[in-house]
Amino acid sequence: DQQVKQNSPSLSVQEGRISILNCDYTNSMFDYFLWYKKYPAEGPTFLISISSIKDKNEDGRFTVFLNKSAKHLSLHIVPSQPGDSAVYFCAASDSGTYKYIFGTGTRLKVLA
Amino acid sequence: GAGVSQTPSNKVTEKGKYVELRCDPISGHTALYWYRQSLGQGPEFLIYFQGTGAADDSGLPNDRFFAVRPEGSVSTLKIQRTERGDSAVYLCASSNIAGGSATQYFGPGTRLTVL
Repeated sequence: DQQVKQNSPSLSVQEGRISILNCDYTNSMFDYFLWYKKYPAEGPTFLISISSIKDKNEDGRFTVFLNKSAKHLSLHIVPSQPGDSAVYFCAASDSGTYKYIFGTGTRLKVLA
Repeated sequence: GAGVSQTPSNKVTEKGKYVELRCDPISGHTALYWYRQSLGQGPEFLIYFQGTGAADDSGLPNDRFFAVRPEGSVSTLKIQRTERGDSAVYLCASSNIAGGSATQYFGPGTRLTVL
């Protein structure tokens, strides 16, 4: 049973437009959420996080939105750049533990 | 500063052999984690260390897998009698405090191939 789901395996976006990556979770105990970016042959790189006490967190071009009632979070990248092309993983945890549960990833391709 | 480093970057071995994978966490980070990522999947938790002790090894798939962190810094993941199904990228992460809200920083991984 997958507790964190990324239902879109891939996404293509034109340079300069908005990229929206989605993630759904099932465990209501999750209270901390993160997005990681992964390039080929590299480890996941931390991008942005959000605690369940917030519904939005922004860092430059990256914004994460959390909808707790829908158990849904999304990552917005504006404007998208070719260097953003990578696989994006969402992860969730219960702050009482230390394990991250990851989704299966969404491959983003930003077209120049 | 230096990030998490892992050696070797690639390891090819034959079925039945023993392998050791090493992780050097970010200096000062007390918590260390091992994950495994199979093709097309996200990373899956294996084991977590707080200091020298394994606080949670519930993700280790079976008793062929073992990990140590004797001095609370470097960790070694050991796999005995490797099987083809063990082929994956093994990722190490560290954080400066324990707990789910402490951001984990990942190393580049070791790609293990069992022939």
